Amino acid sequence: NAGVMQNPRHLVRRRGQEARLRCSPMKGHSHVYWYRQLPEEGLKFMVYLQKENIIDESGMPKERFSAEFPKEGPSILRIQQVVRGDSAAYFCASSPSTGVDEKLFFGSGTQLSVL
Amino acid sequence: QKEVEQNSGPLSVPEGAIASLNCTYSDRVSQSFFWYRQYSGKSPELIMSIYSNGDKEDGRFTAQLNKASQYVSLLIRDSQPSDSATYLCAVNGASGGSYIPTFGRGTSLIVHP
Repeated sequence: NAGVMQNPRHLVRRRGQEARLRCSPMKGHSHVYWYRQLPEEGLKFMVYLQKENIIDESGMPKERFSAEFPKEGPSILRIQQVVRGDSAAYFCASSPSTGVDEKLFFGSGTQLSVL
Repeated sequence: QKEVEQNSGPLSVPEGAIASLNCTYSDRVSQSFFWYRQYSGKSPELIMSIYSNGDKEDGRFTAQLNKASQYVSLLIRDSQPSDSATYLCAVNGASGGSYIPTFGRGTSLIVHP
């Protein structure tokens, strides 16, 4: 049973370019969470999605950032017109359902570097 | 704004000692609590969860929860160099009907031989 798959592992972009980060949840998981982690900092929640629906995007910047989780295919976190401050590790996690005791399973992350 | 506070460390302990990691949280209605371990450059992995006041033991790990004090801790007995990592405390409770864990900044643990 494959775990949460994220790609690419490393992504280098120049300022102004677009970054697309992909996440395939564990088999049987329909809930996806995106977190961002800066050096020496914890995980900051960005967005929570279920299939075809954004449930909570309260942690995502209003501009340049968007996320989707289509009926078929991986969840995508898209960052338009990247800036140096977007450089961070982006982790995706999945769970089979939602609930107070639900545990998250994390992917290996995508390290985004903006030149 | 839910907050989860951890001492960033590093916490340095000798091999074989007990490492004690602490976490406080601001949201009184939080219901579930998790400890994740993250090695440098790797993804977080769940090591313990606790939902009721008191202690929960799993091997060398013991999680302790005190909801009245809004405090959760992780004890690692017989610490090994392989335990050297950052330990993230996560707290979960319904936010508008959705359960989304809030993470602390993590405590760096160094176990030296």
